Amino acid sequence: DTGVSQDPRHKITKRGQNVTFRCDPISEHNRLYWYRQTLGQGPEFLTYFQNEAQLEKSRLLSDRFSAERPKGSFSTLEIQRTEQGDSAMYLCASNSGVNTGELFFGEGSRLTVL
Amino acid sequence: DAKTTQPPSMDCAEGRAANLPCNHSTISGNEYVYWYRQIHSQGPQYIIHGLKNNETNEMASLIITEDRKSSTLILPHATLRDTAVYYCIVRVAGAAGNKLTFGGGTRVLVKP
Repeated sequence: DTGVSQDPRHKITKRGQNVTFRCDPISEHNRLYWYRQTLGQGPEFLTYFQNEAQLEKSRLLSDRFSAERPKGSFSTLEIQRTEQGDSAMYLCASNSGVNTGELFFGEGSRLTVL
Repeated sequence: DAKTTQPPSMDCAEGRAANLPCNHSTISGNEYVYWYRQIHSQGPQYIIHGLKNNETNEMASLIITEDRKSSTLILPHATLRDTAVYYCIVRVAGAAGNKLTFGGGTRVLVKP
């Protein structure tokens, strides 16, 4: 079963370091989403791509955050100069772009900034 | 998208039906009701969605009131594996990007 895959599953870093997360969506899905989830809260939308185009970014996505999906397949989310407030679960989801709210989520990448 | 209100937590007994309420009193005519759940340390999982009519699938049933201001997700025979946070979301049909806005959800604990 090739669902949405995220790597790494866990990352511990020191404040000020850069981190990068990778998401591999379900192969035939042309839409890819990034969400962030802090403890006890629901997921918050960060950004989404249709193929390689980044079509929407949340105000939560500060200048230190950048997401790419260069060939319309996998995506990376980079956080520069990490802060303790960046500690969260970063979730990736994908779907086929057909007009549906059914998103397929990965298991997430948990970031801890010390 | 309309806002939803859910109880923060509820318990239910294993083998019994679990009825999870959701209020969406400001829902508009073109907004669907979606339910997702999130088991601990996993990503959210789609359960079911509906517009006006009641819906049923292999996981659950969704009952939407006639005025569409509230809905109930029914897990017919709750198991311990149904322990999770359940999110009720309303989303405009055709919304750009299929973006979902999650609230706080209901933390459901299924007890033996």
